[in-house]
Amino acid sequence: SQQGEEDPQALSIQEGENATMNCSYKTSINNLQWYRQNSGRGLVHLILIRSNEREKHSGRLRVTLDTSKKSSSLLITASRAADTASYFCATDAGGTSYGKLTFGQGTILTVHP
Amino acid sequence: NAGVTQTPKFQVLKTGQSMTLQCAQDMNHEYMSWYRQDPGMGLRLIHYSVGAGITDQGEVPNGYNVSRSTTEDFPLRLLSAAPSQTSVYFCASSYSGTGAGELFFGEGSRLTVL
Repeated sequence: SQQGEEDPQALSIQEGENATMNCSYKTSINNLQWYRQNSGRGLVHLILIRSNEREKHSGRLRVTLDTSKKSSSLLITASRAADTASYFCATDAGGTSYGKLTFGQGTILTVHP
Repeated sequence: NAGVTQTPKFQVLKTGQSMTLQCAQDMNHEYMSWYRQDPGMGLRLIHYSVGAGITDQGEVPNGYNVSRSTTEDFPLRLLSAAPSQTSVYFCASSYSGTGAGELFFGEGSRLTVL
């Protein structure tokens, strides 16, 4: 079963706009990660946020984590056409899920020039 | 560095045939894993390994075998291919022994079973 569920499934914006993607999960986690996948390619790690962190930044990326709501968001500011990709959240539940990073279904982001 | 290398990139099999997807990493990572990606299903964990000689099942292990004789290599074997195994397969490795850190992915192996 999927641990993380992304919302929306697809997002279409203009260059320069901000893009926000959300991820909800079901069980407690040790950390949550975001990955990007360009069409036909492997996934690339973007950012990792630990369960005791609330916000993290990396360049134009901002990730928030609300463990009370079991949700996370990824904000891409001043988007570019090159940001067009699928974005996935992945959770590490730890405990008996040791070694089992679980991915959501992803958000397809299209940025129009 | 090459990172994570998967071969072959494309493969067509007939139902009942067997084959091995190869995965090699040159980063000295202890943790390696195999995922399959299907439309609308995201990535699902097939098998993983936290070190040479140690493997365990993920979410969808049926029909697949793995072994880890070296740190570098983690092959995935399809025993008797079925159309339901048509998918894109990704190998990933991590410096984290628990697999809970950043994953480095290969470019994928696209398998079609007729």
